[in-house]
Amino acid sequence: QVQLVQSGAEVENPGASVKVSCKASGYIFITYGMHWVRQAPGQRLEWMGWINTGNENTKYSAKFQGRVTITRDISASTAYMELGSLRSEDTAVYYCARDSNTALPSFDFWGQGTLITVSS
Amino acid sequence: SYELTQPPSVSVPPGQTARIPCSGDALPKKYAYWYQQKSGQAPVLVMYEDSKRPSGIPERFSGSSSGTMATLTISGAQVEDEADYYCYSTDSSVNHRVFGGGTKLTVL
Repeated sequence: QVQLVQSGAEVENPGASVKVSCKASGYIFITYGMHWVRQAPGQRLEWMGWINTGNENTKYSAKFQGRVTITRDISASTAYMELGSLRSEDTAVYYCARDSNTALPSFDFWGQGTLITVSS
Repeated sequence: SYELTQPPSVSVPPGQTARIPCSGDALPKKYAYWYQQKSGQAPVLVMYEDSKRPSGIPERFSGSSSGTMATLTISGAQVEDEADYYCYSTDSSVNHRVFGGGTKLTVL
């Protein structure tokens, strides 16, 4: 069965960077892209970006362009999301989500989420 | 930027039909997807491409779209269907990928 297992919660200082991992299993990693979506406390879900795990092409939301980097390691079947210049508003649960390979870029399976807290 | 609009809450008695609307200017051209999120859990896909149900999702869940409005319908809502429901879609250029604000479904 498809599983996406994310790294654990972290507390970061403002201005720092954080890197979250997402290990995939139960399917052929390079045949599905991977998205990153975040959810601040009490807020709606927010799409951050996506990586084509086959050719490593990426696309980022304009809101996060320049601050976010999504990468992957095929040998480890793992995707990564790094967010820099952290500020308090970045406190959120960050999810990886597999692309659904349907008519629109969208998400069929999700990781369990990683809580990132930005606080001094 | 592009926005999808949902009502903050919907409430129905058990066994009744719940309808959750989502409006967006590009919905006549772009599919809607629906996600169920229970408290403290990751979202789960319950409907894709307007009206297709993923395997494992109960038949009481259905979807439709007409004009600028997509609707998730739960026929005979159960207490276990209580959750936040988010619609998702893109603008016509697929540059903006957005979720609606979410609708809290209460079944009681």
